[in-house]
Amino acid sequence: DTEVTQTPKHLVMGMTNKKSLKCEQHMGHRAMYWYKQKAKKPPELMFVYSYEKLSINESVPSRFSPECPNSSLLNLHLHALQPEDSALYLCASSQDIFAEAPEQFFGPGTRLTVL
Amino acid sequence: GENVEQHPSTLSVQEGDSAVIKCTYSDSASNYFPWYKQELGKRPQLIIDIRSNVGEKKDQRIAVTLNKTAKHFSLHITETQPEDSAVYFCAARNTGRRALTFGSGTRLQVQP
Repeated sequence: DTEVTQTPKHLVMGMTNKKSLKCEQHMGHRAMYWYKQKAKKPPELMFVYSYEKLSINESVPSRFSPECPNSSLLNLHLHALQPEDSALYLCASSQDIFAEAPEQFFGPGTRLTVL
Repeated sequence: GENVEQHPSTLSVQEGDSAVIKCTYSDSASNYFPWYKQELGKRPQLIIDIRSNVGEKKDQRIAVTLNKTAKHFSLHITETQPEDSAVYFCAARNTGRRALTFGSGTRLQVQP
């Protein structure tokens, strides 16, 4: 299996809701990433997990809470979001962050709309 | 931190022509430079990458060149086809941070 999967594909939530985004890969990768992508912009790194430990947090607001339950799964818990958080949320994985050519495989993304 | 600049922001070519997209990076410690293609509504997909110990890499109609001294790298697409139309992102990764920094993207339109 050479694919990263994400659920749900679309999510609409109110500012008081709590929801979670899920990401899964079965390529044996030990690095997993969350990105946020606004329209016509590049992916913007949010978090990096390496061997199930948080390695990078790009000063993301606490209303976004990542979790890596095991080496195949990555979650992003959402709480009290703002309309400006509406974006495409992309998950990615790579062999590990120490690889010389760490090709990142992206999931299809979750299109999030915050009302 | 790393800064990656990408030009042009939009590029329109006729089918069969070549397209060149250029990126510059700021951190001399960067050692890995991938290029991603993102079609509308789709995920970014790696199309080619190059490591800092290599000056050029080619894969069929796509090639990437790297000039470490000048800190710039370029994507070359020859014999463009309408299905090459997409947004292309360059990226750089340095050994310290171990995360990609993306360029701002180039929207390539190939006119039939």
